Amino acid sequence: GAGVSQSPRYKVTKRGQDVALRCDPISGHVSLYWYRQALGQGPEFLTYFNYEAQQDKSGLPNDRFSAERPEGSISTLTIQRTEQRDSAMYRCASSPNGGLANYGYTFGSGTRLTVV
Amino acid sequence: QKEVEQNSGPLSVPEGAIASLNCTYSDRVSQSFFWYRQYSGKSPELIMSIYSNGDKEDGRFTAQLNKASQYVSLLIRDSQPSDSATYLCAVNWDTGGFKTIFGAGTRLFVKA
Repeated sequence: GAGVSQSPRYKVTKRGQDVALRCDPISGHVSLYWYRQALGQGPEFLTYFNYEAQQDKSGLPNDRFSAERPEGSISTLTIQRTEQRDSAMYRCASSPNGGLANYGYTFGSGTRLTVV
Repeated sequence: QKEVEQNSGPLSVPEGAIASLNCTYSDRVSQSFFWYRQYSGKSPELIMSIYSNGDKEDGRFTAQLNKASQYVSLLIRDSQPSDSATYLCAVNWDTGGFKTIFGAGTRLFVKA
């Protein structure tokens, strides 16, 4: 597609429910990144993929968070048993390079998650 | 110590002035450095990248990198009210793959 697409734009869920956030990167982009951004803060790294391989998941806060990119394109970030502290803007970004050098990212519009 | 540090601001400059935004980072195997602009309620957008020591100019923007001092800056010449935004400094480290760490951002206000 023309840009990075994230869905849903807004998600309100009850505490304890599971949620799945979707990211469709720019066509042909090798690298895909997930970040979380709190109000007034910079994006916080969660995890990233080159093709379908998860290269680094050191930023995932705990084992309730997981991500996959099974065919090297669309990615899903799943949060199980959501807690109120999970409320944030979740941002996806993609990059064409595959990790050999970094040309910067193109971000999607984000998913605003609210856990009530 | 945070890995990427920025003054949160706000930084206020008059229209037409030079805005200077600064960033320091931890000593790692740093590969590349970026400045992103984020308007309120929007996503970050890449405005500058720099990989080598020295200056890099692109229009009204100049990025400066000093690896010995672990310091990167962004100068905005002839600042316009439309430049009012949060500017995020980002550093890319080789951790066996590459990941980018962002600073908290500096809020810039350009007064007409």
